[in-house]
Amino acid sequence: AQSVTQLGSHVSVSEGALVLLRCNYSSSVPPYLFWYVQYPNQGLQLLLKYTSAATLVKGINGFEAEFKKSETSFHLTKPSAHMSDAAEYFCAVSDNTDKLIFGTGTRLQVFP
Amino acid sequence: DAGITQSPRHKVTETGTPVTLRCHQTENHRYMYWYRQDPGHGLRLIHYSYGVKDTDKGEVSDGYSVSRSKTEDFLLTLESATSSQTSVYFCAISDRTSGGAGEQFFGPGTRLTVL
Repeated sequence: AQSVTQLGSHVSVSEGALVLLRCNYSSSVPPYLFWYVQYPNQGLQLLLKYTSAATLVKGINGFEAEFKKSETSFHLTKPSAHMSDAAEYFCAVSDNTDKLIFGTGTRLQVFP
Repeated sequence: DAGITQSPRHKVTETGTPVTLRCHQTENHRYMYWYRQDPGHGLRLIHYSYGVKDTDKGEVSDGYSVSRSKTEDFLLTLESATSSQTSVYFCAISDRTSGGAGEQFFGPGTRLTVL
């Protein structure tokens, strides 16, 4: 069975600091991995996806994530946080079936 | 943005009453999903559909039913609402036949409060 673990339900950074949101997955087959962002009172928006084409994936708004099979990780990073990055972030995994399995989310706060 | 609308956007109801939430898409995607979002649980799949009249249960399907009579509409019904069903409900769509990786596109959500 597939699963996703997001370490840290809340992460706080200063504006301009590195953002690192952690995601570890479990999958019995090569996975497809996703990061979604949710701004307050909105639906989820796809940030980026890994589909085995390249291990370093670039997404929207300056975010990127690196697939590391040996560590079963897909951590999300951004070199310099902006106030507008404050949101909740969800990691998700798929084995290319009809369904996604989501992590419990990490709320990112950005302080001036 | 994917053309997904949900109605109503907000609803307050009383315990024991039936409630129907509607998801409407204009993308002609085959797959449609209903999730609920609760603090500390992330998104949990309630039911999903892989075509007209083809539906299946998700992780938290008890107390919910769905119907899909047209490609564009997916209805979620709470037959007799309970306070534990107070949540934010999201609809999502997907079209894996286009060669995608199964990414889903989400509607704006419906905030349901059961008193």
